[in-house]
Amino acid sequence: GQQVMQIPQYQHVQEGEDFTTYCNSSTTLSNIQWYKQRPGGHPVFLIQLVKSGEVKKQKRLTFQFGEAKKNSSLHITATQTTDVGTYFCAGPSGGGADGLTFGKGTHLIIQP
Amino acid sequence: DTEVTQTPKHLVMGMTNKKSLKCEQHMGHRAMYWYKQKAKKPPELMFVYSYEKLSINESVPSRFSPECPNSSLLNLHLHALQPEDSALYLCASSPIRDRLSEQYFGPGTRLTVT
Repeated sequence: GQQVMQIPQYQHVQEGEDFTTYCNSSTTLSNIQWYKQRPGGHPVFLIQLVKSGEVKKQKRLTFQFGEAKKNSSLHITATQTTDVGTYFCAGPSGGGADGLTFGKGTHLIIQP
Repeated sequence: DTEVTQTPKHLVMGMTNKKSLKCEQHMGHRAMYWYKQKAKKPPELMFVYSYEKLSINESVPSRFSPECPNSSLLNLHLHALQPEDSALYLCASSPIRDRLSEQYFGPGTRLTVT
């Protein structure tokens, strides 16, 4: 199946600082999704990007899909303690159905 | 109702036991999934059901046996598991469209194999 690489694995920030996580694929992705998983919780869908060069915003979160549809990023402005968790990008598993292949995730740790 | 429910929340079983995990959704989604997640790792796809038919089995050992009795229910039957099978088992569902759709995850069953 397809592989999606995600960095960094861990990110420590002071509350109020910005945060960015990056995903890269060696192959073109038809689309990419982003999920957030709080500690002890389950993945929760944030957004899906479909178009080349697409940029979408949700309050303090900005999502981008690269022009070649091989990379994506999630940027959080002015982090808050509620942003703590693991952020995963996910692409199609390539098996012809709707299964997902997840990146390794970025664990966001916020110091007050 | 945008919720996926899973039972039990926690399960401890011996290597010779047989148990089942259950998942239910009432969103009318026709695709349902099982994922396995180890601590600090991403979810790994195990099975995909599309219109109640198994469409993907990601080389999962036969000691895991999925079942989709109807469009709302998904089961995962467990038999002769190994300690390394201990993990969080997540069920998810999604609508079927002409492209990849968002997935709604349940809270998971935390399985410990002793």
